Amino acid sequence: NAGVTQTPKFQVLKTGQSMTLQCAQDMNHEYMSWYRQDPGMGLRLIHYSVGAGITDQGEVPNGYNVSRSTTEDFPLRLLSAAPSQTSVYFCASGQQVSSYEQYFGPGTRLTVT
Amino acid sequence: DAKTTQPPSMDCAEGRAANLPCNHSTISGNEYVYWYRQIHSQGPQYIIHGLKNNETNEMASLIITEDRKSSTLILPHATLRDTAVYYCIVRVRGAAGNKLTFGGGTRVLVKP
Repeated sequence: NAGVTQTPKFQVLKTGQSMTLQCAQDMNHEYMSWYRQDPGMGLRLIHYSVGAGITDQGEVPNGYNVSRSTTEDFPLRLLSAAPSQTSVYFCASGQQVSSYEQYFGPGTRLTVT
Repeated sequence: DAKTTQPPSMDCAEGRAANLPCNHSTISGNEYVYWYRQIHSQGPQYIIHGLKNNETNEMASLIITEDRKSSTLILPHATLRDTAVYYCIVRVRGAAGNKLTFGGGTRVLVKP
């Protein structure tokens, strides 16, 4: 049981490039989400999903797309990277929408130059 | 969601209890209090939650005042590995995708 895994751990992009951050969980959780954390700040919700085929926006969705074709995977796509998207990205999952506890992945550190 | 207020930082001696306060004076009746922590560079980790009764688990205790306007997380015997940022979050369970809103948190430094 690996929990929540994220790849890559580190990534450097040039402005305008696109890429996909991968997130997978092996706990059969319905709920998955993406957060970003800027230096010295708390986490902000980007997008979330309450089940396969269902996604919705969080606080800071602009510049990001998500899809949920399977229960296990919830990739985050950066369409055209900007320096303002330099951040640490965390993926999280919870058993259900109503679950108290969310499990977080180890994070992806993204730098956009 | 109700806003929370936490001190930005606090120190604690190893082996002693750490008491972390949180004010949530605008909390409504169906909002729970959650605590998470984030050890340097890692993803946040769930600690405990409560509605109105005091709660205890293997990690910590949560004391919620009778009027529910404030709470205290207690780490009974702090260790160096408890050095982390601790987040107090108030949230309606299950609402709108169970989103967690993380504020600034309290940076706890456990000293030998």
